[in-house]
Amino acid sequence: KNQVEQSPQSLIILEGKNCTLQCNYTVSPFSNLRWYKQDTGRGPVSLTIMTFSENTKSNGRYTATLDADTKQSSLHITASQLSDSASYICVVESGGSYIPTFGRGTSLIVHP
Amino acid sequence: DADVTQTPRNRITKTGKRIMLECSQTKGHDRMYWYRQDPGLGLRLIYYSFDVKDINKGEISDGYSVSRQAQAKFSLSLESAIPNQTALYFCATSERQGAHYEQYFGPGTRLTVT
Repeated sequence: KNQVEQSPQSLIILEGKNCTLQCNYTVSPFSNLRWYKQDTGRGPVSLTIMTFSENTKSNGRYTATLDADTKQSSLHITASQLSDSASYICVVESGGSYIPTFGRGTSLIVHP
Repeated sequence: DADVTQTPRNRITKTGKRIMLECSQTKGHDRMYWYRQDPGLGLRLIYYSFDVKDINKGEISDGYSVSRQAQAKFSLSLESAIPNQTALYFCATSERQGAHYEQYFGPGTRLTVT
């Protein structure tokens, strides 16, 4: 069964600090790995997407990495802001039809 | 961005009632999805449709049915609602962008079954 595991489940950091979120997956066949940001009560919004051949992708202060050999990804947030408080979801898409498998998300709280 | 709208935004219903959640999109995307989200469980795929004549069950389709009335409309029905179907429901569309599909989510429908 395809699975996506994220850690930590929740994280509290101070404004201005950096943090790294982890994602491990057992999805086959692999197509893409995506990180979403979901604000409370709203739909997820895509941050980054990486194919098998990509090992890093940046979007402003967000940098995602992918190690397809170990089936691990990370999302690094630099110089956190209060608006970064949200749930961050790792999603792996499989097969030619790109059906997504969602992780449970990491809840990030940024305190002033 | 795709304009994905969901109605209603909030709904409270009683056990055993039939209820329909509606989703519309204005960007002409062929692919549409229904997900539910429960606290601590992430999003789970209920049904998906790659075009009007192509509808597929997702991970948790039991107790749900869907209708793709047109390219722009994808409705989710709960035939006989039960309390454990209380959740936040998201509709999404997707379009191919190069080597991947970009997904766009609606604002969600919060459903409570009492």
